[in-house]
Amino acid sequence: GQNIDQPTEMTATEGAIVQINCTYQTSGFNGLFWYQQHAGEAPTFLSYNVLDGLEEKGRFSSFLSRSKGYSYLLLKELQMKDSASYLCAVLDSNYQLIWGAGTKLIIKP
Amino acid sequence: GAVVSQHPSRVICKSGTSVKIECRSLDFQATTMFWYRQFPKQSLMLMATSNEGSKATYEQGVEKDKFLINHASLTLSTLTVTSAHPEDSSFYICSATNGDSGSYNEQFFGPGTRLTVL
Repeated sequence: GQNIDQPTEMTATEGAIVQINCTYQTSGFNGLFWYQQHAGEAPTFLSYNVLDGLEEKGRFSSFLSRSKGYSYLLLKELQMKDSASYLCAVLDSNYQLIWGAGTKLIIKP
Repeated sequence: GAVVSQHPSRVICKSGTSVKIECRSLDFQATTMFWYRQFPKQSLMLMATSNEGSKATYEQGVEKDKFLINHASLTLSTLTVTSAHPEDSSFYICSATNGDSGSYNEQFFGPGTRLTVL
């Protein structure tokens, strides 16, 4: 079956750095997405990786290793507004998005 | 950027009634729209994919007679929850793309609809 694993919850301190990991097993691979979702709101797009390596976009970076079925989202200079759930999603061979359960990130002052 | 709206944002209804949720793409033509359901602390679960002018494709386990989807135009899709029951209470989210479903185009999400069935 298809499976995406990410930690349920993480806690970090304002101003620090946090890395959220995601491992996946899917039927085919056409890219991996990271979305941010605040409570009661729809997800918003953060990043898309289809080739191995690191993609940097401001305070957020996303890394992909296709051979290991692994990705991480790196958040730097954490701000209180970064408190949210972070969803990892993989596009499978049918171009269907398979979603992880999300990682709830709690930022403490 | 591409904007998707949903209406209503929140609805409370009695058990046995039907509820219609609208999803609109405001500044682009959405050839494909997706309907998701999300229970508390769980991930998004795809319910169905709809292409304008054709019948929706439902995911396994989703009752097509209970969750009626209509994608009558390139800017509007509706989800009707028929004879709603408390277990249907959830957060319903739509998304839209402006490409065909055979290749990926970024999905733009609506703000979601919180359904509570009493």
